[in-house]
Amino acid sequence: AQKITQTQPGMFVQEKEAVTLDCTYDTSDQSYGLFWYKQPSSGEMIFLIYQGSYDEQNATEGRYSLNFQKARKSANLVISASQLGDSAMYFCAMREGRGAQKLVFGQGTRLTINP
Amino acid sequence: GAGVSQTPSNKVTEKGKYVELRCDPISGHTALYWYRQSLGQGPEFLIYFQGTGAADDSGLPNDRFFAVRPEGSVSTLKIQRTERGDSAVYLCASSPRLAGINEQFFGPGTRLTVL
Repeated sequence: AQKITQTQPGMFVQEKEAVTLDCTYDTSDQSYGLFWYKQPSSGEMIFLIYQGSYDEQNATEGRYSLNFQKARKSANLVISASQLGDSAMYFCAMREGRGAQKLVFGQGTRLTINP
Repeated sequence: GAGVSQTPSNKVTEKGKYVELRCDPISGHTALYWYRQSLGQGPEFLIYFQGTGAADDSGLPNDRFFAVRPEGSVSTLKIQRTERGDSAVYLCASSPRLAGINEQFFGPGTRLTVL
């Protein structure tokens, strides 16, 4: 079974609109962390936001927020007031357990912001 | 400060040849990770070092792949008898410590093409 599922291969959004990128995850661990990374065409992975499984509040970082619904095992990324520079691939990733350090990534969503 | 650097940025080789890919982590980061990203996919974990030792090598696909980090800083990923299926972008990441978010900082990757 896929550990991380991103069901939207591509998203097209008008500049200044908000956009939600979906991510569902599968784990039996109680302790885990969820990450979102941005990968522009240059190829480098840029960390955006993190949500721990025990965090009661949804994480926010500037224009990024994470809509964490633990019971549904979903961790959607919300980008408010989208900008042209937000066009990129976006990956959701999970780190399971307290000792494990590796990240398991989803397939990604290609976001295109139209002017 | 300087980020994670990887050399070479591109490597073209012939099937059956041996290649080495180098990663220079952020100074002071104790953890180092290697991932492989095939076209259109999310990164897949290969191996993780804590200091000089490989703490988790469960992602190495077979015994043609080997990685070292002899002094706890620079790491080299070695691939013997390369195959066309090894063509991918090889990403290196480092992180400062085990506690907290332990965000992974990624390098720009090495694009390996096996002809």
